[in-house]
Amino acid sequence: DAKTTQPPSMDCAEGRAANLPCNHSTISGNEYVYWYRQIHSQGPQYIIHGLKNNETNEMASLIITEDRKSSTLILPHATLRDTAVYYCIVRLYSGGSNYKLTFGKGTLLTVNP
Amino acid sequence: GAVVSQHPSWVICKSGTSVKIECRSLDFQATTMFWYRQFPKQSLMLMATSNEGSKATYEQGVEKDKFLINHASLTLSTLTVTSAHPEDSSFYICSARLWTGERDGYTFGSGTRLTVV
Repeated sequence: DAKTTQPPSMDCAEGRAANLPCNHSTISGNEYVYWYRQIHSQGPQYIIHGLKNNETNEMASLIITEDRKSSTLILPHATLRDTAVYYCIVRLYSGGSNYKLTFGKGTLLTVNP
Repeated sequence: GAVVSQHPSWVICKSGTSVKIECRSLDFQATTMFWYRQFPKQSLMLMATSNEGSKATYEQGVEKDKFLINHASLTLSTLTVTSAHPEDSSFYICSARLWTGERDGYTFGSGTRLTVV
């Protein structure tokens, strides 16, 4: 199974870009990378996902290296409300047409005023 | 779109009783639903995957007779914690997969905090 490695915590100044790294060196060619975040005592919130190409949406950008062994989530202008645990997940095939998201420990991002 | 409703948001029950948690996809039909458990200061742990009309697939180490999962329709899955004990106290979160061929997303509910006393 592909595993992900993230720093346990990071700090970012409000208004600055937050760059959250993730290593997934054992990822397979058809496995997607998903990013979610979880604010205390809430369900995870979807941020973005990608396979090979860089992706951007209204929340963030996802940069995936050419060898797909790592990726970076970028929050372009972090706000205090972006303080959360951010999870980088490799979606795993579980048989038939089924896939599953298995969470690692994530990165606690603290945005400071 | 893609909203998942989980009910109740919190519940307190006595040791030895059973508790049912509901997970509904409000505006889409979920091909697959998932149940997670999260202990304080820990990550989410996948308990089981359920497809409508078939038996759930449990992750290793999860007791299927204790955590009963029913997925009777494309919009509803339930998790029943049977004979609950204090060590079952946790945050339970469901997720539903929306797969249309063009879109493949996983939406999470807001979670249920279970306290067994």
